[in-house]
Amino acid sequence: EAGVAQSPRYKIIEKRQSVAFWCNPISGHATLYWYQQILGQGPKLLIQFQNNGVVDDSQLPKDRFSAERLKGVDSTLKIQPAKLEDSAVYLCASSLDRRTYGYTFGSGTRLTVV
Amino acid sequence: AQTVTQSQPEMSVQEAETVTLSCTYDTSESDYYLFWYKQPPSRQMILVIRQEAYKQQNATENRFSVNFQKAAKSFSLKISDSQLGDAAMYFCAYPYGGSQGNLIFGKGTKLSVKP
Repeated sequence: EAGVAQSPRYKIIEKRQSVAFWCNPISGHATLYWYQQILGQGPKLLIQFQNNGVVDDSQLPKDRFSAERLKGVDSTLKIQPAKLEDSAVYLCASSLDRRTYGYTFGSGTRLTVV
Repeated sequence: AQTVTQSQPEMSVQEAETVTLSCTYDTSESDYYLFWYKQPPSRQMILVIRQEAYKQQNATENRFSVNFQKAAKSFSLKISDSQLGDAAMYFCAYPYGGSQGNLIFGKGTKLSVKP
């Protein structure tokens, strides 16, 4: 089966600019996650979707970050305006039944804010 | 609060030898899963092994095995016959929050394999 697709692979922007990341989960996976991984740390959840509804966005900086999952499939994560501390890898993951299959991750987008 | 702690920022092992990576966690749940993920430079998180807390038998996947001690809330990963391709970041993770839970990760251990 195809994996979790993410694009772009790399992105360099100046602070105060906007950026968007795209994720296409594994077909049929109802749950989709966006994680932020700062260099030297483990990933931290930003937002979790179940189909097209938000389950948990408690750690999403809502003044600058937004995410949507239209039609319960693809998802987009946006940052506007970006800050230097947003430099990180943004990982998308999806799961069907986490207890049986676990979570499948994409290759992530490395964002550098200069 | 649910936490996952990996106390070894870096580890090194000689090719063909065995290495153990440590992980402790804190949870109030009684039934849960634990995971070890490998993250090579390509950045993709790859599931290495999974342990179900209600199973007393330690999980094994080829050269990878765990030492799961539920009472001590310890979940270490043993890699036998280490290979150069095992070099990567290794993350211990715990899915918090029931059937829709999200993964809480430790800070990771960087494993180097010497030829």
